[in-house]
Amino acid sequence: KAGVTQTPRYLIKTRGQQVTLSCSPISGHRSVSWYQQTPGQGLQFLFEYFSETQRNKGNFPGRFSGRQFSNSRSEMNVSTLELGDSALYLCASSLVGGEETQYFGPGTRLLVL
Amino acid sequence: AQKITQTQPGMFVQEKEAVTLDCTYDTSDPSYGLFWYKQPSSGEMIFLIYQGSYDQQNATEGRYSLNFQKARKSANLVISASQLGDSAMYFCAMILTGGSYIPTFGRGTSLIVHP
Repeated sequence: KAGVTQTPRYLIKTRGQQVTLSCSPISGHRSVSWYQQTPGQGLQFLFEYFSETQRNKGNFPGRFSGRQFSNSRSEMNVSTLELGDSALYLCASSLVGGEETQYFGPGTRLLVL
Repeated sequence: AQKITQTQPGMFVQEKEAVTLDCTYDTSDPSYGLFWYKQPSSGEMIFLIYQGSYDQQNATEGRYSLNFQKARKSANLVISASQLGDSAMYFCAMILTGGSYIPTFGRGTSLIVHP
C-alpha cells in the first residue's frame, strides 16, 4: 500500500505570496492532519480534516487554511506569506483519526524569501 | 494544557548498545496516549511505538520498548542493540484520548549511533 504523499517536496516563495500544498493520504484513510515544524517552535498542529470537514484546529492565524476533498486528499493554503512561515509542513493520515496511529508523509519544505 | 518535555537535546551511543531517550509529560487528564516517532534527515516522521494511559504492560515493538512510569509521568523510549540506521531525531508526543485528540510534541532528541 502506498504511503502518504506530499507535493511539492520543496518550494521557494517570496513574502506576500500565497502557497498551496497537497497531501494524498494512504488509501482508505479518511483523517488528514497538517503540522508545521520549525527549529524555533518545534512541531505544531495546524488542523485536522475528516470526511471533508475540519474537525480540529490548532492555534494558527487565519492565513492558514485547508480543505479536504471527497477522495480524502487534502490541501493546505497559506496566504500573504511571511518569513516566519518558512518551515517543513508535514501531513499525516489515519483511518478515522482519534487515538489511532498517524502515518506521516515526507513533508514539504517551504522557504519564504 | 498538556506538555511534553524531552530534556536530552542530543545523545550518542555506540553501535549494538542500548540507549534510553527520556520523555516526561504533564497532564491532569487520566485518559491519554503516548507516542514515539523517529524523524531521519529526510524529514518523514516514522511511528515507533504507542502506550495508552490505561495499558497495564509496557509497550514493545521489536527493538523498541517504552518504559512507562505513570506515577512519575515518564514514558522513556528504550532502543536495544542500536544500529547505525537509528541515527535520527526522536519525538515523544501525547494526545488526550478523552478530548480533541490534538497531539502535543516534545522538542525532540537527536540520537547519533557511531560504529
